[in-house]
This record gives sequence, C-alpha cells and structure tokens, in this order.
Amino acid sequence: ETGVTQSPTHLIKTRGQQVTLRCSSQSGHNTVSWYQQALGQGPQFIFQYYREEENGRGNFPPRFSGLQFPNYSSELNVNALELDDSALYLCASSFRDQETQYFGPGTRLLVL
Amino acid sequence: SQQGEEDPQALSIQEGENATMNCSYKTSINNLQWYRQNSGRGLVHLILIRSNEREKHSGRLRVTLDTSKKSSSLLITASRAADTASYFCATDRVDSSYKLIFGSGTRLLVRP
Repeated sequence: ETGVTQSPTHLIKTRGQQVTLRCSSQSGHNTVSWYQQALGQGPQFIFQYYREEENGRGNFPPRFSGLQFPNYSSELNVNALELDDSALYLCASSFRDQETQYFGPGTRLLVL
Repeated sequence: SQQGEEDPQALSIQEGENATMNCSYKTSINNLQWYRQNSGRGLVHLILIRSNEREKHSGRLRVTLDTSKKSSSLLITASRAADTASYFCATDRVDSSYKLIFGSGTRLLVRP
C-alpha cells in the first residue's frame, strides 16, 4: 500500500459528458502527477501539480484539466468525453524532486 | 509517445526459473525505474537505477543499465507465481525530469 487513494474505482460515462476523478496524496507529499493508461499500454503522463500550480504537461488537449488543493489532494477533470478517453487513470504523489513516484490504485473510466 | 520499449512483450516461465526483461529508451536520462502492475491496477515501484550506476540489486531483483546502448534489463531470480504481473520500465529524462515516461510493458506469467 502506497497511501495514495483514488475515487471512484470505476466510472461509466457517455460521450460528451464531463468527469471528475479524485486523488488523495500520500501524507506529506506536495507533488501529484496524473497518468492515462490505455488497455495493453504503458501509462502516459498527463500533467503534474506542485503547490497548486501546473508544473508540466504531456501531450493532452486542454479539455484535460486539473486542480491541486492546499492539502495536496488533486482532481483530474475531463470535458467533452470521447470514446478514446476510456482508460485507467492513475495518480502518483511524491515530494518535489523526489525520483520515485507512488501510485494509487487507479480509476477505470469507460466512455460509451 | 512512449520513451521505452520492453522486450519481450510477454513471457511465460515455470516457477523457480529466472525471468529477464529488457528495456530500451531513446534520450539521455537521470534515472531508470522499474514498476510492477497487477491486473491493471496501481503500479508498485520496484527499483531505481541512476544514470551513473551500472548494476543494482534488491532481494531477488537485479537491474543493469547500459547508457551507451540506452538499455536496461530486469532479472527476477527464482520466480514465484506471485510474480505474475506486468512490468514497466520508466525513465526520468534529463530534459523533462518532472515526468516519468513509461515503456509498453512485459507481461510475465509464472506457472506453478
């Protein structure tokens, strides 16, 4: 157990809807990263937040957005859902400049 | 886009045998990490090797890194059925150290 929790565990949405996924970081960690993992693929970096500001972003469109709160918990929001957004969404927490990231169990999103 | 490629994509061995997985990457790195994923859930950090290290051990795990060939290998000795999982290498690139870039993974099946 890494101490990183995510909710919900599973979610079904329809195309065009919006979704919010939540992540609670391991105690004391001030950095959170979000990854998308399509079936049979490795995780792909979406973005990272440090002290409530975006610290870096991968190759994802603006309809993927995030927030980090003062307690270092985080949200991933996806607007205008597309079928290809169906994936496992993982968050990972760490201290800034810490090399190892600690992953939560993920939220599996299915878009119909 | 994925930085690394794992080889083989899938591996099936008998309990007690050794399992070797390889990872190749494309750009200069700060470090390379190996993660394990059970049944499409969260990733568990196994071991980290820095760019100035050539070999590292942790329990039954042995990792090597060859920066001249941009490749790494993970050896699991005396495998157990509980080692059945997907294994991913992830690189921390010099030009974007805020994110991990994952390979496509090796699916390991250890038969009892």
